[in-house]
Amino acid sequence: EPEVTQTPSHQVTQMGQEVILRCVPISNHLYFYWYRQILGQKVEFLVSFYNNEISEKSEIFDDQFSVERPDGSNFTLKIRSTKLEDSAMYFCASSPRQGAYEQYFGPGTRLTVT
Amino acid sequence: GDSVTQMEGPVTLSEEAFLTINCTYTATGYPSLFWYVQYPGEGLQLLLKATKADDKGSNKGFEATYRKETTSFHLEKGSVQVSDSAVYFCALALGSGGSYIPTFGRGTSLIVHP
Repeated sequence: EPEVTQTPSHQVTQMGQEVILRCVPISNHLYFYWYRQILGQKVEFLVSFYNNEISEKSEIFDDQFSVERPDGSNFTLKIRSTKLEDSAMYFCASSPRQGAYEQYFGPGTRLTVT
Repeated sequence: GDSVTQMEGPVTLSEEAFLTINCTYTATGYPSLFWYVQYPGEGLQLLLKATKADDKGSNKGFEATYRKETTSFHLEKGSVQVSDSAVYFCALALGSGGSYIPTFGRGTSLIVHP
């Protein structure tokens, strides 16, 4: 069964450094998403992406964040200058159509900012 | 704003015990409700859903009923197995005309002992 993959599974970085989290969505999907979960807190929506542009973003997704689909398979989340509070599990998801129940999630990347 | 509250974990049960994980929601419209499950090392997977009041979602022996009068969507299973050990997330999303982005709860860890 096709699945969403994410790399790396765990990333440790120093405060102020740039980090890129990578996702490979399911190949025929058109909508892509990033979520995050700070330890012990709720899973929070960051951004959705369709047709090579951001379709929706939350208040969390400020100028420090950017997303890109650099080729036909990858979907990346970049954090320009990481802060301690960016430490979280980041989940990528993709869907063939616009519908919450249609989203397939990756296993997540645990980001630790020291 | 819209929100989901679910019981804190971990919930620890013996095999074949009855499971209930409570979930209540607050929403301005008429949301669809979901339960997702995350097995160790994997992404969130949709477990079941209900799109209107009194609907019952069911899958893999789990079920939940959309109760508008109590704004609840409690997850139940009659006899849990060790393989059900996972984190369970309750979520809501506003459907047609809405953003389709799910709002998640914090997740409830379930540990089932043999």
